[in-house]
Amino acid sequence: NAGVTQTPKFQVLKTGQSMTLQCAQDMNHNSMYWYRQDPGMGLRLIYYSASEGTTDKGEVPNGYNVSRLNKREFSLRLESAAPSQTSVYFCASKERPNYEQYFGPGTRLTVT
Amino acid sequence: KNQVEQSPQSLIILEGKNCTLQCNYTVSPFSNLRWYKQDTGRGPVSLTIMTFSENTKSNGRYTATLDADTKQSSLHITASQLSDSASYICVVSAGTGGFKTIFGAGTRLFVKA
Repeated sequence: NAGVTQTPKFQVLKTGQSMTLQCAQDMNHNSMYWYRQDPGMGLRLIYYSASEGTTDKGEVPNGYNVSRLNKREFSLRLESAAPSQTSVYFCASKERPNYEQYFGPGTRLTVT
Repeated sequence: KNQVEQSPQSLIILEGKNCTLQCNYTVSPFSNLRWYKQDTGRGPVSLTIMTFSENTKSNGRYTATLDADTKQSSLHITASQLSDSASYICVVSAGTGGFKTIFGAGTRLFVKA
C-alpha cells in the first residue's frame, strides 16, 4: 500500500516548455486534488476531481490542465511553463469530503 | 473572506520543552479543523481533526484545542523531540460538504538539542 505517489520528484523546465505531473493513489479514494505550495503561503488548490470523470477548477487554475484518467490517476499538465509556476506541487486524495486527506511526497518544479 | 492565520511564523525551542502554536480563522460556515505536520521535503500528514462540537483532541504528545466561538485553535506539543522539527499547518474546511479547504501558511518549528 504505497498511498499517494507522484512523479517526477524534481524537474527543471525552460520557459515555454510543457510537461505533465503524474499522480496515483491505491486507496480507492473518490476525490483527488492538485495543490501548489509557495514560500510563506498556504497550499493553494489548482484543480480537483470529486469523483472519476469529473474535474473542477480550484483557486489558481490558470496555466494548468488536468485529467482524471481513471479512479487511481490524476495528472496535471503545464502547457507552456512560466517562471511564476516555479513551486512545489502536491497531489492529494480522500475518500469523502470530510474524511482525512492524504498527500503525496511532492514534485519540486523550477522554471527558468 | 475565508482566511487562516497562524502564529508564530517560526519557533525555536530546546528538546524536552513544551510549545503552543496558534491558529485563527475566519471561515464560514465551519465544517472541521485539522492540524498537519509537514517534514522538510515531504507532504503534510494529518495529526488531528476537530468538528464544531469538539474542543480538544489528542494524538500522543500533540493536543489540539478548538474554540469555535472565538474561531481559534491551538496545537500544544509536550516534551518536544528533535523529530518534532517540521512545519505545522492549520487547515479549515468550510461548507456542508467540506469541499472548500483553506490552508494556513504554517509555523516552522525547530527543536534543538
